[in-house]
Amino acid sequence: GIQVEQSPPDLILQEGANSTLRCNFSDSVNNLQWFHQNPWGQLINLFYIPSGTKQNGRLSATTVATERYSLLYISSSQTTDSGVYFCAAPSGSGNTGKLIFGQGTTLQVKP
Amino acid sequence: KAGVTQTPRYLIKTRGQQVTLSCSPISGHRSVSWYQQTPGQGLQFLFEYFSETQRNKGNFPGRFSGRQFSNSRSEMNVSTLELGDSALYLCASSSTGTSGGNPSRSEQFFGPGTRLTVL
Repeated sequence: GIQVEQSPPDLILQEGANSTLRCNFSDSVNNLQWFHQNPWGQLINLFYIPSGTKQNGRLSATTVATERYSLLYISSSQTTDSGVYFCAAPSGSGNTGKLIFGQGTTLQVKP
Repeated sequence: KAGVTQTPRYLIKTRGQQVTLSCSPISGHRSVSWYQQTPGQGLQFLFEYFSETQRNKGNFPGRFSGRQFSNSRSEMNVSTLELGDSALYLCASSSTGTSGGNPSRSEQFFGPGTRLTVL
């Protein structure tokens, strides 16, 4: 099945800095999701981005499906951006609700 | 629109007991998927239900089971609990309709999770 890898595993930033998180996947996908896990454990949807670029405030994401990677950009980081970021892709052409998650990137933004 | 809800939010059980967790999807969503999150294994897929039928199953022992009701609400059950079952259990819903007669993928939305501790 598909494998999803995220880098870096950990990231420490000073408030105001920019960052790029990367997600590589081993097979072609027709959708990809980015999540932020809040301190209580809930996964918050950031982007649903099979291809192309989307922006939402200080966050943007780009997926290059042909090269099997996606990037999440965080600009002017704030302490509230801290937490774990996951990307996930569906498993196989015959599978629908089965998402395969990367191991996550733990972001710490220092004031 | 109300989001995905899960009950209970926290649960403490002892080894050998069984537990039932509940998930109510977003109104109109027919697909419910369950995931287990542990520090060692990360987020792992348990199973997916669509129109009261299990459509997909992850690599978990038979002690883990689930079902879906006609209103799309879903329950998962873990019997004979083990210490290693301590985890955050997340459910997700999606509208997953059909395209050309085949299920089409769509965005998944997650509930707040149930944190299970097995003593």
